[in-house]
Amino acid sequence: DAKTTQPPSMDCAEGRAANLPCNHSTISGNEYVYWYRQIHSQGPQYIIHGLKNNETNEMASLIITEDRKSSTLILPHATLRDTAVYYCIVRVVDSNYQLIWGAGTKLIIKP
Amino acid sequence: DVKVTQSSRYLVKRTGEKVFLECVQDMDHENMFWYRQDPGLGLRLIYFSYDVKMKEKGDIPEGYSVSREKKERFSLILESASTNQTSMYLCASSLMQGLSTDTQYFGPGTRLTVL
Repeated sequence: DAKTTQPPSMDCAEGRAANLPCNHSTISGNEYVYWYRQIHSQGPQYIIHGLKNNETNEMASLIITEDRKSSTLILPHATLRDTAVYYCIVRVVDSNYQLIWGAGTKLIIKP
Repeated sequence: DVKVTQSSRYLVKRTGEKVFLECVQDMDHENMFWYRQDPGLGLRLIYFSYDVKMKEKGDIPEGYSVSREKKERFSLILESASTNQTSMYLCASSLMQGLSTDTQYFGPGTRLTVL
């Protein structure tokens, strides 16, 4: 079963910041939070990951709460091309290093 | 940039046919994965491989087999295709087993329809 909970859908206006929440209340201390997105009819695309500290790259920022039970992905200036399903994934740290995929959040950017 | 390519974007086969889905990555990654994606079920791992000639079953290996004869190529085989194997098939690769921050890179997917 997925270890994360995300809202099924969200809207955001073009040019505004998109904030996508994720709950992972059962996360273990050595498990990472990953974010991927999947644009329609394409393979998933890696966005960002983090353990405890907030992270930023050219695509997005990841804010992880101090208790690590939730996180927020921030797309600072959303464009129409950011319309996609966004997956928050907790990395299972075992010999398989398997990603457990949930249903994700369908983000729609509106002009 | 990492590139993962899949042999076909769309494929139509008949029940009982043997089907080969090919995946190639160009970044010398050790790990390769096959997923299927179905509406409402998300991505589910079929098989993965962490080295040439090595394979591990994922969550749903029944009805599938895999082959990894070369590091860059990972094939998914449907020995006798059935209609319930109609799905989107996604291949992925990642650098190395044992890295706690290993990132998976995905191909564009193959949409397989079995009639």
